[in-house]
Amino acid sequence: EAKLVESGGTLVQPGGSLRLSCAASGFTFGDFNMNWVRQAPGKGLEWVSFISKSGSPIYYAESVKGRFTISRDNAMSSLDLQMSSLRVEDTALYYCARLGSSGPTDAFDIWGQGTMVTVSS
Amino acid sequence: SYVVTQPASVSVAPGETARITCEGINIGSKSVHWYQQEPGQAPVLVISYDFLRPSGIPERFSGSASGNTATLSISSVGAGDEADYYCQVWDPRSDHWVFGGGTQLTVL
Repeated sequence: EAKLVESGGTLVQPGGSLRLSCAASGFTFGDFNMNWVRQAPGKGLEWVSFISKSGSPIYYAESVKGRFTISRDNAMSSLDLQMSSLRVEDTALYYCARLGSSGPTDAFDIWGQGTMVTVSS
Repeated sequence: SYVVTQPASVSVAPGETARITCEGINIGSKSVHWYQQEPGQAPVLVISYDFLRPSGIPERFSGSASGNTATLSISSVGAGDEADYYCQVWDPRSDHWVFGGGTQLTVL
């Protein structure tokens, strides 16, 4: 069974940094493009970042560009999101999501349970 | 970037058919995906590529897309279908993935 498990979420002060991780299992991680999607409390889903199977290309939402860095380790079946210069508006549940194998038009077919990031002083 | 719009809420009586729309310019030319999110849970894909049902999704769930509107239909709705539903597309002009704002389905 394909599974994604996020970790690393916590309370952090504005301006601080945090690294989220996502551990994949049950499928060949290196065969899939991966994403981070977030959901602020009581709000909808917002796509955050994409990384291709090989690690390039990489794309970011405008709201996080220049502050967040996505990376992956196919040997370890892991996906990371390095977050810096955090803002109160980055407070959200961060999901790791697998993109289906048919390319960018495919759906997010596997989701983790999310890890909560709270940015507050 | 590309924008998709959903109604904030849809209400339907038990046993009836719920229809949730997703509007965007020429969305019928894109691949539209739909997700169900129950309270406190991660999203689950219920319709891909406009109308395809992933394994394990009941036949009560169906989808269509044409022109500027995509529609998720849920027939014979019950209390277990109460959830938030999101449409999603990929915007090739920006290489961004776009979600609608979500629709809360209430079964009366």
